[in-house]
This record gives sequence, C-alpha cells and structure tokens, in this order.
Amino acid sequence: DAKTTQPPSMDCAEGRAANLPCNHSTISGNEYVYWYRQIHSQGPQYIIHGLKNNETNEMASLIITEDRKSSTLILPHATLRDTAVYYCIVRVGHGSSNTGKLIFGQGTTLQVKP
Amino acid sequence: DAGVIQSPRHEVTEMGQEVTLRCKPISGHNSLFWYRQTMMRGLELLIYFNNNVPIDDSGMPEDRFSAKMPNASFSTLKIQPSEPRDSAVYFCASTWTGVISPLHFGNGTRLTVT
Repeated sequence: DAKTTQPPSMDCAEGRAANLPCNHSTISGNEYVYWYRQIHSQGPQYIIHGLKNNETNEMASLIITEDRKSSTLILPHATLRDTAVYYCIVRVGHGSSNTGKLIFGQGTTLQVKP
Repeated sequence: DAGVIQSPRHEVTEMGQEVTLRCKPISGHNSLFWYRQTMMRGLELLIYFNNNVPIDDSGMPEDRFSAKMPNASFSTLKIQPSEPRDSAVYFCASTWTGVISPLHFGNGTRLTVT
C-alpha cells in the first residue's frame, strides 16, 4: 500500500471549517483514500473514502486532486468534539483475493479551540 | 447492530501470566483484524483473518503471541507468557470483503503487564 504524509498537528477554531491535507504521491490506480479518526481512548472511527471523485457524507467532505497525489478532508463546521487524531490511509480495493488491510501512519492531531 | 465487541475493556496482569483478549465481530463480516497501539509505535496491524483463516500474521511480534478464530463470530488473541513491554491497547476490527467497505473497530482492551 502507498504511504501517506500528513502534518503532525493542526488547530482550528470552533465553528470554522477544518481542512486536513494528505499527500499520497505514490498512490496506485486501484488504491482508495480512506480517512479515519480516533478520539482519545476510543477505537478508530471511519469517516469517508474515495477513489478519484470528491465525496461527501454527513460527517465530512473528501476532495481528491485530479492526479490523485493528494487529498483534503474537510470538516465544514468543526466542534470541540471533533478534536481527535485524523488518519489518511490508502488501501487497495479488496475483493476475493485481497482483504484490504489498513496500515496506519502517525496521523494529524486536530485541536479544535473555542 | 452492537458493533465490534471486545472484552475485557481493561486487563492488569503480572509478568509471566497468560492473557487472553476476546473479540466478537459484527455479524455478517468475514474479515477480522487485530491491532496494537502504543505511544511509541502507534497503531500496528498484528494479524488478520479472512473467512476464519489467518491470512497474514507477519505483524505478530513473537511466538508468545497467538490468535485464533474458531468461528465467524469469535476470535482470541493470546499472550503467553506476558511481559511488561506488551502493555498497550489492543483493538479488533471487522469488515466484509468482496465490496469496498470500511473497517469497524471495537473500543479496545487496555492491557497493563506489571
């Protein structure tokens, strides 16, 4: 699986949009971009994933550049409860011969401040 | 759905004792993953199963660690004998292969070996 690069930490004001970048310059054509977050002492929580199109769900939006070498996770209106470590992971789409394991990096610690 | 269930939530044991961690995956999921998290090494994949069969155990640190999945609804991770350096939070996750689906994590077992 391709490696990812994320800033170690970021701050965001409560109510503002949080934009978390991720570089994955060696991503392959069949690899998806996944985002997870981990709130202190809990298990990682799935946020969103995409292949090449931008995606949006009730939690966040994912913007993937046209060359797929980088992406941005957007939390449109950050709250204090969004303070967590955010992991960007690239993962091969799994099928009958591939279980699509997730390899975590160090992630970005997002601190949402009042 | 109750999600991935891990037990116990906390385990304190003395060096040399056997420790067994338990995991119940989400019903219908056919892949199961064991991760370990420490401050120094982050989230590490230890082993994963597909259809109850171990696929990759290259992350298991040493022979003291073993994992089993006797059926689709139960898995164990055993450490025998335990050592202080095994102190960590151990997470179990499950997913369904064959489609692009995220991993769902349990809330972990915090193991302390004294």
